[in-house]
Amino acid sequence: DSGVTQTPKHLITATGQRVTLRCSPRSGDLSVYWYQQSLDQGLQFLIQYYNGEERAKGNILERFSAQQFPDLHSELNLSSLELGDSALYFCASSVDPGSHTYEQYFGPGTRLTVT
Amino acid sequence: GESVGLHLPTLSVQEGDNSIINCAYSNSASDYFIWYKQESGKGPQFIIDIRSNMDKRQGQRVTVLLNKTVKHLSLQIAATQPGDSAVYFCAENGGGGTSYGKLTFGQGTILTVHP
Repeated sequence: DSGVTQTPKHLITATGQRVTLRCSPRSGDLSVYWYQQSLDQGLQFLIQYYNGEERAKGNILERFSAQQFPDLHSELNLSSLELGDSALYFCASSVDPGSHTYEQYFGPGTRLTVT
Repeated sequence: GESVGLHLPTLSVQEGDNSIINCAYSNSASDYFIWYKQESGKGPQFIIDIRSNMDKRQGQRVTVLLNKTVKHLSLQIAATQPGDSAVYFCAENGGGGTSYGKLTFGQGTILTVHP
């Protein structure tokens, strides 16, 4: 158990809908990262937040957005869903990206299926 | 066109053998590298990391080797066990600055250990 929690574990929804994925980082970790893992693209970095502020962005679609709240939990919002958005979405956390290690602890993931 | 899944490299070994998993990274500015293990249905799990000022780092039953000249990373697992069966990913941080903490993952290698 990494200490990172994600809800829900599974999500099935229809095209055009909007969903919110939730992540609670390890206790004490200030950074949260979101990744998408699909069969054809592998594990792709989406976005990073540090202590409530956006720190880095990957190839995140405009239909996707995220935020980190004062209690450090994070939410990833996916809207106007398409079939191709079906994937595993992982959240990871780390203490501080500027510390001596970049070790990120991954949650168990949310499996999103868009039908 | 129709998308196809990634064709991951595979490595099959007998229990007790040593395993070597290779990874070519792309960004010569990367100064931090990390290996993750992902078991079926779980999130990636940290194995070992190495900074660019090192050539070799050892952990428990694992060793990571870094060759910056050819941008190559390898993970050696000693006395491989059936529990080591998983997909192994290397990741690089792409250098410092605002992108530090943002990891770029390789496609992964499937390791199968036969009893």
